[in-house]
Amino acid sequence: RKEVEQDPGPFNVPEGATVAFNCTYSNSASQSFFWYRQDCRKEPKLLMSVYSSGNEDGRFTAQLNRASQYISLLIRDSKLSDSATYLCVVNKGWGKLQFGAGTQVVVTP
Amino acid sequence: EAGVTQSPTHLIKTRGQQVTLRCSPISGHTSVYWYQQALGLGLQFLLWYDEGEERNRGNFPPRFSGRQFPNYSSELNVNALELEDSALYLCASSAVDSAYEQYFGPGTRLTVT
Repeated sequence: RKEVEQDPGPFNVPEGATVAFNCTYSNSASQSFFWYRQDCRKEPKLLMSVYSSGNEDGRFTAQLNRASQYISLLIRDSKLSDSATYLCVVNKGWGKLQFGAGTQVVVTP
Repeated sequence: EAGVTQSPTHLIKTRGQQVTLRCSPISGHTSVYWYQQALGLGLQFLLWYDEGEERNRGNFPPRFSGRQFPNYSSELNVNALELEDSALYLCASSAVDSAYEQYFGPGTRLTVT
């Protein structure tokens, strides 16, 4: 089993709609989590940190379910500029972040 | 505020050669991290430097090495290049109290022929 698993997608989303996707992790001791977005052939950009049950930043909401070991990301009122690959990241400690393979989101006009 | 910078942007090397990649962290950040992202694959953790010391290392052979300088900039060295080393090499930095929130540079794209 991979340490961080994500549905690769793509999730095709009409502009203005809501999309949500999950990420599961295997290490129950993990304490902090992140969502990054990565555009094609560019560097990952930090979208949100998740330390407790969840976090909200504008149209983006992250939820953490420690019992079931998953993190979700919800995007409301999707914009064309939200098209990207969303990387779920688990902090393994000692500076090591474990990246998932990413979920591709395509927002269509 | 300037972000993480990396040089060079692109590099083409021949198998067996050696390469040095450079990274300057965000001002005030003391930790530097290196990752490898091969085409179509996820990011793989390479190295973590903090306050000039190597703190952690990923599952890469010893020919991948690096260092961090007193100004917190860092170098990644790869010896005896192999074709499989072709990848995007990303550097990230974080502040000491940031709980490992890492900010990435644009990367160096290395092609080994």
